[in-house]
Amino acid sequence: DVKVTQSSRYLVKRTGEKVFLECVQDMDHENMFWYRQDPGLGLRLIYFSYDVKMKEKGDIPEGYSVSREKKERFSLILESASTNQTSMYLCASHRDPLVEQYFGPGTRLTVT
Amino acid sequence: DAKTTQPTSMDCAEGRAANLPCNHSTISGNEYVYWYRQIHSQGPQYIIHGLKNNETNEMASLIITEDRKSSTLILPHATLRDTAVYYCIVRVKGGNKLVFGAGTILRVKS
Repeated sequence: DVKVTQSSRYLVKRTGEKVFLECVQDMDHENMFWYRQDPGLGLRLIYFSYDVKMKEKGDIPEGYSVSREKKERFSLILESASTNQTSMYLCASHRDPLVEQYFGPGTRLTVT
Repeated sequence: DAKTTQPTSMDCAEGRAANLPCNHSTISGNEYVYWYRQIHSQGPQYIIHGLKNNETNEMASLIITEDRKSSTLILPHATLRDTAVYYCIVRVKGGNKLVFGAGTILRVKS
């Protein structure tokens, strides 16, 4: 059974903290993605990666960075968390060509 | 990628067919129609996709009109577990990105 796992389901951090969200997939997929989902705004793409050590900005990269040192792992980093980064964060992966994108369960991050 | 239009919400009785419409009047010849759904507190899940022929799998059927300007996702016997947000996405096959709109909230009621 294919799996995308995320390190935490719920996370509470303080403003200014550095936050790491980890995502691991066991399907040997080349492509990995980070989205955030907010009520009324749908899913918005933050960053994606199509290979190890490669990354591309999505639609809303400001305030975020990513790291992909191994094929199976894609990390999202909030360098200095702010309250407007309170959101549901979803990781996804797929192989080429894109037909089915597999999503993790999500991390609900609250920044206070 | 072409824009899609879906109703905001729909209700369906348990055991009945759920028919979810999607308009994509600006679809191009090489663009596919994809359907995903998102059950509460979970990540989106792929359901089905098609180009111009009708498609069926174990989860659903996809009916695409002859002019390809609209499509309908059919869940033949909806259950309470099918309550979710359903997203219709139009895009070329391959590439990197899926663009999710607001989707349709389907509520299956007993």
